[in-house]
Amino acid sequence: AQSVAQPEDQVNVAEGNPLTVKCTYSVSGNPYLFWYVQYPNRGLQFLLKYITGDNLVKGSYGFEAEFNKSQTSFHLKKPSALVSDSALYFCAVRDVGAAGNKLTFGGGTRVLVKP
Amino acid sequence: DTAVSQTPKYLVTQMGNDKSIKCEQNLGHDTMYWYKQDSKKFLKIMFSYNNKELIINETVPNRFSPKSPDKAHLNLHINSLELGDSAVYFCASSQRYGGGRNTEAFFGQGTRLTVV
Repeated sequence: AQSVAQPEDQVNVAEGNPLTVKCTYSVSGNPYLFWYVQYPNRGLQFLLKYITGDNLVKGSYGFEAEFNKSQTSFHLKKPSALVSDSALYFCAVRDVGAAGNKLTFGGGTRVLVKP
Repeated sequence: DTAVSQTPKYLVTQMGNDKSIKCEQNLGHDTMYWYKQDSKKFLKIMFSYNNKELIINETVPNRFSPKSPDKAHLNLHINSLELGDSAVYFCASSQRYGGGRNTEAFFGQGTRLTVV
C-alpha cells in the first residue's frame, strides 16, 4: 500500500519569505513523487516530479522539492513566496512497482501568502 | 486547445436521477483516470483505464460505471444518485512508457456535482 502525509493543513507566510510545504510518503517499492497545486474552482496543475536522479528537482513558478529517501520526505520549497502562490498544494506518490499507476494524494496543504 | 476537458462543469440534480460526466483528452495519452474530491478537498482515485481497459477500480459502488469508447475518452455514468455523491469529480490522463512507468497526470477542470 502507498500513502502520503501532509502534516500541515495550512501554512501562512509573508510575501518575500521562504515557503516550505511538508510531505512524507510510504511505499513498498521505489517512489515516484509529485507536487500539484489547485487554485480555487480549478483543476490540479502539475508543479514538479521526482522520478530518479538528482534529489533536488526544480519545477514551475520557481518551486523546487528535495527528495530524501532516508526520511521518506519530499518537501516543496520556494525561496521567496508571492501572494499569487496562495492555493491548495497536494503531494502525491506512485509506487513504481504497483500495477495501475495509481496516484495517491496527501490531504492537501493550504498556503496563504500575506502581503 | 484544452488538454483534458470535462463536461459539464457544474451539475445539479435530484436524488435518484442518473447522470453522466464526459471527459476527453487531446494529449495522445493512453491512460485515463477518474478522481473524486470530497468537501474536505481529499482526493481519491476511482478508476483507471489503459487503452480502454479497466486497470483500477477502487471499491467504488457499482452505481458508478465508467465507459471508455476509445483511449481519448473516459466517461462516468452514475445511477441512482445519492446525497453523498456530491463532490468534485476530476478526470485525468497520463502516458505509460517503458518499464510500466507513466508520465505525470494532467487533470481536467473538474465537474462539481451537487445532489439535492
